[in-house]
Amino acid sequence: NAGVTQTPKFQVLKTGQSMTLQCAQDMNHEYMSWYRQDPGMGLRLIHYSVGAGITDQGEVPNGYNVSRSTTEDFPLRLLSAAPSQTSVYFCASSSRRQGGTGELFFGEGSRLTVL
Amino acid sequence: AQSVAQPEDQVNVAEGNPLTVKCTYSVSGNPYLFWYVQYPNRGLQFLLKYITGDNLVKGSYGFEAEFNKSQTSFHLKKPSALVSDSALYFCAVRTNTGTASKLTFGTGTRLQVTL
Repeated sequence: NAGVTQTPKFQVLKTGQSMTLQCAQDMNHEYMSWYRQDPGMGLRLIHYSVGAGITDQGEVPNGYNVSRSTTEDFPLRLLSAAPSQTSVYFCASSSRRQGGTGELFFGEGSRLTVL
Repeated sequence: AQSVAQPEDQVNVAEGNPLTVKCTYSVSGNPYLFWYVQYPNRGLQFLLKYITGDNLVKGSYGFEAEFNKSQTSFHLKKPSALVSDSALYFCAVRTNTGTASKLTFGTGTRLQVTL
């Protein structure tokens, strides 16, 4: 059981480049979300989705784009990378069948450096 | 708006001693409260949650947490710490009307357990 899989694990970009962080889950979870983790700031929600075809903005959505064409996948796109987007990114999922009580399953993280 | 505060950046405790990691919360409405643990270079793992009912909730690895409505606190506790408990601990909150994807996390507390 793979759970939540994120790729790549590490990436270095130059300012202005674009890229996509991939996230896939095999638990048939309805809810998926992206967080970024920065020292001293905890985790901050970027975007989230409550089901295929439905996405919404979190706390820090600027500079990021998402789509949810299938239940399994929730890619995060950086449109024009900036040094402020240097961070560790986590994808998470949870099941509405659990009552939506918020037990999130996290991927291992993707460490992004923007030069 | 919802928020959590973890007032201690780091907690140091000797193995075998009891440990407490503090968390206070602020929500409008009834809170759903969570503790997650992050080991080095890993994603977050769910430890325990409070939804309703008994104020003392038990979770994984011998951890428990006490919900105190009057003090708006949800402190994480363990009667006897292990060196392997050393990790980064996050408190999180959402309201009972929010979605499972929209957790608000604290800034984290690093627990260091020494021999």
